[in-house]
Amino acid sequence: DAKTTQPPSMDCAEGRAANLPCNHSTISGNEYVYWYRQIHSQGPQYIIHGLKNNETNEMASLIITEDRKSSTLILPHATLRDTAVYYCIVHAGSGGGADGLTFGKGTHLIIQP
Amino acid sequence: EPEVTQTPSHQVTQMGQEVILRCVPISNHLYFYWYRQILGQKVEFLVSFYNNEISEKSEIFDDQFSVERPDGSNFTLKIRSTKLEDSAMYFCASSADPHETQYFGPGTRLLVL
Repeated sequence: DAKTTQPPSMDCAEGRAANLPCNHSTISGNEYVYWYRQIHSQGPQYIIHGLKNNETNEMASLIITEDRKSSTLILPHATLRDTAVYYCIVHAGSGGGADGLTFGKGTHLIIQP
Repeated sequence: EPEVTQTPSHQVTQMGQEVILRCVPISNHLYFYWYRQILGQKVEFLVSFYNNEISEKSEIFDDQFSVERPDGSNFTLKIRSTKLEDSAMYFCASSADPHETQYFGPGTRLLVL
């Protein structure tokens, strides 16, 4: 089972910032927080990941709380093309074999015009 | 930008037939993965592959499934005797390291009749 909890759906107005929360209270010290999204039935698209520091790239920002038990993905200026299911996934950064990612049900983000 | 490619995009087969799904991972990646997504359900990990052998596999990956890297570029998933419940999207992914970002292909939609 997924180690993360996300709201099933969210709405956001086009042009506004979309803030997607994720709880991962049982995250281990060597686990990173990854965010992917899936548009319709396309392949999951990597967005961003982080360990404990906040991260930013051309797509989004990731804010991780100091205790690492939750995080927020921020899409700064949402467009209609950002409508998708967003998955928050914790994944080990070391040790073990090539484990697969454990997907939950994610958050269906709907951008309203 | 390098990307994972998959062929075919769609495959229709009769129950009991064998199918081979093909993937070309990102060229400098060494770890390869297969996932599936039954319509309306979560993305599920099937198997990971490294150095010409299976690294990890899930309970779903039973004896009807096999994976192979027949040459330096392709990575294949074979389903020996398809069942109706094998109908799903199948996604290939690759990563440079088992603990680095996995990048997904666009998927193959398999329909078993």
